[in-house]
Amino acid sequence: QVQLQESGPGLVKPSQTLSLGCTVSGGSISSRTYYWSWIRQPAGKGLEWIGRIYTSGNTNYNPSLKSRVTISIDTSKNHFSLKLSSVTAADTAVYYCARDYSDRPFDSWGQGTLVTVSS
Amino acid sequence: DIQMTQSPSTLSASVGDRVTITCRASQSISDWLAWYQQKPGKAPKLLIYKTSSLESGVPSRFSGSESGTEFSLTISSLQPDDTATYYCQQYNTFPYTFGQGTKLEIK
Repeated sequence: QVQLQESGPGLVKPSQTLSLGCTVSGGSISSRTYYWSWIRQPAGKGLEWIGRIYTSGNTNYNPSLKSRVTISIDTSKNHFSLKLSSVTAADTAVYYCARDYSDRPFDSWGQGTLVTVSS
Repeated sequence: DIQMTQSPSTLSASVGDRVTITCRASQSISDWLAWYQQKPGKAPKLLIYKTSSLESGVPSRFSGSESGTEFSLTISSLQPDDTATYYCQQYNTFPYTFGQGTKLEIK
């Protein structure tokens, strides 16, 4: 059974770049079946899809964040990453990585990691 | 972006009740709709995909349906463990978007 685990700093200063990683275990990130997504959730609020990446490196981003987001993949480490630049307090949220499969979106999720943007 | 509007925002029901949560899309999403259950401090859990397909391991009291432009999640007999927030999500068009959530409480 696939498992996903987020990692990265819990505190980022305003205007800096948020960097998170997601390690996949129990399955190969190189599988041609799946995409790998990032989703975030501000405290007490709803879910926002940030973007996704395929094993080939092909990406799709949310236009609302596209100018600041980069998602990359390292198949040798079974790992994919999120970078969000020029962060503000509005980017404070729990960030989740998730597996995105064809007609069954987000069937596996990481536990989530809280990132706070504050000086 | 496709807007997903859920109703109600909060719902209180008794154990054994039949409960329905609805979700309306601002434009056609075909049947590319999923439902998630989220408990406090936990990641969302996929319940239903492609409008009415039950995810493996999810109790059969959960079901999904569509009527015109309105999608529904129904719990046939509410159990105490069903206390959670439920979200719909469309995956027909980028960006994927979620409803605002329905908080379900047990009376």
